[in-house]
Amino acid sequence: QVQLQESGPGLVKTSETLSLTCTVSGLFISHGYFWDWIRQSPGKGLEWIGSIYHSGTTYYNPYFKSRVTMSVDTSKNQFSLRLNSVTAADTAVYYCVREAGRGHTYGWDLDYWGQGTLVTVS
Amino acid sequence: QSVLTQPPSASGTPGQRVTISCSGGSSNIGSNSVNWFQQFPGTAPKLLIHRSNQWPSGVPDRFSGSKSGTSASLAISGLQSEDEADYYCATWDDSLNGPVFGGGTKLTVL
Repeated sequence: QVQLQESGPGLVKTSETLSLTCTVSGLFISHGYFWDWIRQSPGKGLEWIGSIYHSGTTYYNPYFKSRVTMSVDTSKNQFSLRLNSVTAADTAVYYCVREAGRGHTYGWDLDYWGQGTLVTVS
Repeated sequence: QSVLTQPPSASGTPGQRVTISCSGGSSNIGSNSVNWFQQFPGTAPKLLIHRSNQWPSGVPDRFSGSKSGTSASLAISGLQSEDEADYYCATWDDSLNGPVFGGGTKLTVL
């Protein structure tokens, strides 16, 4: 059974760095695919933060590019998100997600989602 | 402002057929498959339709997807009360070289 589980502080102070880790079970990150972070502000829609490939190649939403860093640790089967200089606008539920594929054939196929973790910036 | 445009709300009565639209452009829906996600309050989104019209395992065939040109649609037939949820479309955008979401549609079963 595939599971993705986000972990990290639920409360971050303004101007500090938000750090989250996603632990994957039932799949090996090293076997490929992109792994994404997506967030959802309270009462709002879904927002893509960035993607990381198992090799460590990253793609970031330009909106976050100056503040975001993603990394992968295949030995722990984890990938991580760091978002610095946070403000109240970064308060959201953060999801880690597996991309089954992208582009012409797949669109943006997100097949496995973590349950999400609420991070409040105050 | 989302790149993909969805109506903010939709509604129907039990047993009815409801459609939700998703409008985009040539660089996104016009070039790539569309995926649909269902989200209940307090839970993570779930993949409902992928590759425009295919069902992931476990999704009932009451849900169906279609795509024509730069628009896509999600249809729900035999509407049930448990279908009341938020629905999002998403795809890849070749111009942005990144993924894009619709703003979401809240479906109410009357």
